Amino acid sequence: DSGVTQTPKHLITATGQRVTLRCSPRSGDLSVYWYQQSLDQGLQFLIHYYNGEERAKGNILERFSAQQFPDLHSELNLSSLELGDSALYFCASSVGTGGKNEQFFGPGTRLTVL
Amino acid sequence: AQKITQTQPGMFVQEKEAVTLDCTYDTSDPSYGLFWYKQPSSGEMIFLIYQGSYDQQNATEGRYSLNFQKARKSANLVISASQLGDSAMYFCAMRGGFSGGYQKVTFGTGTKLQVIP
Repeated sequence: DSGVTQTPKHLITATGQRVTLRCSPRSGDLSVYWYQQSLDQGLQFLIHYYNGEERAKGNILERFSAQQFPDLHSELNLSSLELGDSALYFCASSVGTGGKNEQFFGPGTRLTVL
Repeated sequence: AQKITQTQPGMFVQEKEAVTLDCTYDTSDPSYGLFWYKQPSSGEMIFLIYQGSYDQQNATEGRYSLNFQKARKSANLVISASQLGDSAMYFCAMRGGFSGGYQKVTFGTGTKLQVIP
């Protein structure tokens, strides 16, 4: 158990809908990262937050948005869902930024868009 | 732009033997970090080992070692004394430096390792 929690574990929804994925980092970790893992795209970095501020953006679609709250939990919002958004979404956390700062991954949320 | 290349989609290794998983990278940043992660069939991502671009020595963590050849831009993972529990997908990843967006992380496509009894 990495100490990172993600809810829900599974999510099944329809095209055009909007969902929110939630992540609670390990106690004391200020950084939260979001990743998307799909069969055709592999593991893609989406976005990174540090202590409530966005620090880097990767291949995140405009239909997707994220935020990190004062209690450091983070939410990833996916809207106007398409079939291709079906994937495993990981959240990871680390103590800070830079250097080794090992990222601890949550168990993931598996999103299925029908 | 950052790029990670893992050229071995799948590999087999005999139990108790050593195996090397290849990873090459491309970046123009002088400062970067290289990581290896293991993803078992259960799906979780497990951190294995880290190498900083300025680290003088190759990183080691138990049975895992990273063969870092900076001039060749390679960061191969060596697993010694393979165990059945090592069967998993292995990902090489790079965290970029300032010019690439400091915290941007790029993953390779992965290598599926199967350990044979």
